[in-house]
Amino acid sequence: AQKITQTQPGMFVQEKEAVTLDCTYDTSDPSYGLFWYKQPSSGEMIFLIYQGSYDQQNATEGRYSLNFQKARKSANLVISASQLGDSAMYFCAMREPQYTGTASKLTFGTGTRLQVTL
Amino acid sequence: DVKVTQSSRYLVKRTGEKVFLECVQDMDHENMFWYRQDPGLGLRLIYFSYDVKMKEKGDIPEGYSVSREKKERFSLILESASTNQTSMYLCASDGGDTQYFGPGTRLTVL
Repeated sequence: AQKITQTQPGMFVQEKEAVTLDCTYDTSDPSYGLFWYKQPSSGEMIFLIYQGSYDQQNATEGRYSLNFQKARKSANLVISASQLGDSAMYFCAMREPQYTGTASKLTFGTGTRLQVTL
Repeated sequence: DVKVTQSSRYLVKRTGEKVFLECVQDMDHENMFWYRQDPGLGLRLIYFSYDVKMKEKGDIPEGYSVSREKKERFSLILESASTNQTSMYLCASDGGDTQYFGPGTRLTVL
């Protein structure tokens, strides 16, 4: 069974500083995808970044980058130059391979609440 | 632009009531999902559907059922609401690249 672990329930970071949110995963499938979502206080889940298990390079999207260490089974999210608007819950998720006749599901971690301070 | 809508942002129901939560997507996606979110537990999958009238149980299906009569609409049904079903309910639609989420329904069962 797939499992995602986020060990940091809450994090603080000063504005303009970089912050790393930890995520480790466990799976026996060689093919999988890793996602990060942001959930502001409004409740909607916003997709941030994706990393495929066969991707050679770490994914980047603007100020977001994913530090993918396959051997360690970690997929940490790095946010550079934090902004007040980055204050939110952040979820790491893993997608299992898709099999015929069903849908590919996501397994989510418990989340990390990030608070950006002045 | 991708759009997933949910019928209510906030809902208050009484124990024993039948509750319908509706989700609509406008992207012609085959796969749709219902999650509940509770503090400290993350998102947990209740049910999902991979085609019209096709559904599968997720990790916590007890006390819930679903309906998918049309491709764009996926409904979550609480047959007899209980207080332990007070939660945030999130619907998602899968575009192959990622899942797109609705705004969520915060359900309180009194």
